[in-house]
Amino acid sequence: DAKTTQPTSMDCAEGRAANLPCNHSTISGNEYVYWYRQIHSQGPQYIIHGLKNNETNEMASLIITEDRKSSTLILPHATLRDTAVYYCIVSSYSGAGSYQLTFGKGTKLSVIP
Amino acid sequence: NAGVTQTPKFQVLKTGQSMTLQCAQDMNHNSMYWYRQDPGMGLRLIYYSASEGTTDKGEVPNGYNVSRLNKREFSLRLESAAPSQTSVYFCASSANYADGGLQFFGPGTRLTVL
Repeated sequence: DAKTTQPTSMDCAEGRAANLPCNHSTISGNEYVYWYRQIHSQGPQYIIHGLKNNETNEMASLIITEDRKSSTLILPHATLRDTAVYYCIVSSYSGAGSYQLTFGKGTKLSVIP
Repeated sequence: NAGVTQTPKFQVLKTGQSMTLQCAQDMNHNSMYWYRQDPGMGLRLIYYSASEGTTDKGEVPNGYNVSRLNKREFSLRLESAAPSQTSVYFCASSANYADGGLQFFGPGTRLTVL
């Protein structure tokens, strides 16, 4: 699976949009981009995923560049409860072997009052 | 729905002791996973079960065994605990192995081995 690069930490003012970047320059054609977050020491929570097109759900939007080498997770109106570590993961189902989600160190997002 | 549940929430063991971590899901998912997370690190896959009756090794399987008891339950056993196994253990499930990117996680078991 392709590796990802994320900033170690970011701050965002409460009520503003939080834009979390991720680089995945070695992504292959069948690999999806997944975003998870982990609040404090809880289990990771799925946020959103996409292949080529931009995606939006009730939690966030995912913008994937045309060359698919980077993406941005957007939390449109960040709240204090969005303070968490955000993980960008690229992965695909190969049809055999382990379907492994490789969690790096992620981005620690701090939402400031 | 409770989602994914794990027991116990906390456990302290002495070196050499054994224990089993329990995981259950009520979402009728086919695939289940066990991860460990060391302080300040991301999660690493220990074992997974793509479907009932099958189990396979992940990235860090040494020192662990698993049992897929039925479709709902997937247990992780430490036969002889070592301090290096001090970690937080997360169980997860996905609808199918092909949907394995979309996983639902339990709250974790915090294990300390002295």
